[in-house]
Amino acid sequence: EDQVTQSPEALRLQEGESSSLNCSYTVSGLRGLFWYRQDPGKGPEFLFTLYSAGEEKEKERLKATLTKKESFLHITAPKPEDSATYLCAVWPSGTYKYIFGTGTRLKVLA
Amino acid sequence: KAGVTQTPRYLIKTRGQQVTLSCSPISGHRSVSWYQQTPGQGLQFLFEYFSETQRNKGNFPGRFSGRQFSNSRSEMNVSTLELGDSALYLCASSIEGAGEQYFGPGTRLTVT
Repeated sequence: EDQVTQSPEALRLQEGESSSLNCSYTVSGLRGLFWYRQDPGKGPEFLFTLYSAGEEKEKERLKATLTKKESFLHITAPKPEDSATYLCAVWPSGTYKYIFGTGTRLKVLA
Repeated sequence: KAGVTQTPRYLIKTRGQQVTLSCSPISGHRSVSWYQQTPGQGLQFLFEYFSETQRNKGNFPGRFSGRQFSNSRSEMNVSTLELGDSALYLCASSIEGAGEQYFGPGTRLTVT
């Protein structure tokens, strides 16, 4: 069964304290992996798409990487405005059905 | 370019009633997906439509249904509402159901 697991569930960082969020997945075939950011009361906001192992994408303080079994979202020198829930989703082969993890709630303290 | 819009933003319904939610995708996007988001379960896939055809359905009871119109706008309907249907319902659009999806702000449904 296709499955996505994110860890940790919650993370508190001091401003400037870099860290990584993990997304482990089990799918029969991966067509794509997506990272989203969700603020309270809003819909998820698209961040990155990764298609193959070894691929990396960067945007400001965020960098996403992909291996055959997991993806990492690295946050470098975070700021309080980076506080949000970060969601990972996989797109299994042969479907149009995206499977989401339950997310990591990130809180960055000033 | 305007984003995904969903109406209404908030709804309060009584158990046993039915509800219809609406989603207008980004212009040019022909695929619309619906998700249910709850604190315990996260985002759960409901169904995906492309060119008025449902291509995938999630593991939800038949009380949950949807449709897509020729202009790509989509509606979802929930009949015989239960307390457990209280959730944020999110709509997402993409060009052809391939690649990244763009989400609307959601409809917050409360069933009392």
